[in-house]
Amino acid sequence: NAGVTQTPKFRVLKTGQSMTLLCAQDMNHEYMYWYRQDPGMGLRLIHYSVGEGTTAKGEVPDGYNVSRLKKQNFLLGLESAAPSQTSVYFCASSPLRDRTDTQYFGPGTRLTVL
Amino acid sequence: DAKTTQPNSMESNEEEPVHLPCNHSTISGTDYIHWYRQLPSQGPEYVIHGLTSNVNNRMASLAIAEDRKSSTLILHRATLRDAAVYYCILREANRDDKIIFGKGTRLHILP
Repeated sequence: NAGVTQTPKFRVLKTGQSMTLLCAQDMNHEYMYWYRQDPGMGLRLIHYSVGEGTTAKGEVPDGYNVSRLKKQNFLLGLESAAPSQTSVYFCASSPLRDRTDTQYFGPGTRLTVL
Repeated sequence: DAKTTQPNSMESNEEEPVHLPCNHSTISGTDYIHWYRQLPSQGPEYVIHGLTSNVNNRMASLAIAEDRKSSTLILHRATLRDAAVYYCILREANRDDKIIFGKGTRLHILP
């Protein structure tokens, strides 16, 4: 049982390049989330999904797109990377969507945009 | 948004208990109190949560004040592996889908 995995672990992009971050979970969770964490800061929610085929905006969605074509995968895309998107990206999943649920986090992807 | 206030950092000696405080004076009656921690270079992990009563699990204990305006995460016997950033989070009614992370408390464990 791998839990939540993220690919890749590290990436360096040039301004304007595009890339996709992959998140996979093997716990059959309905809900998945993408967060970013900047130095010395807490996590901020980018987008989330409440089920296969659905996505919704979080706190900081601009410059990102997401897709949830399969229940176990949640993709985060950067169409035209900017230096302000340099950050550590965390994916999470949860079985419920209420005040008692537990979110399970992946190990993170460290992205640098030059 | 209901907010939490935590000290920026704390230190504790190894093998001693640690009490991590959190103030949440604007908490409403239906908000749950959650704690997560983030070890260096890792994603956050769930620690514990509660509503009104004190809670215990294998990782920690959560002591909630009677008026619910504050809570304390208790690590009974800290180890070096417990050095992490600890986040106190309120899960609010009508905001079920979101966890709002603050800056947390960075806990240093002294050998």
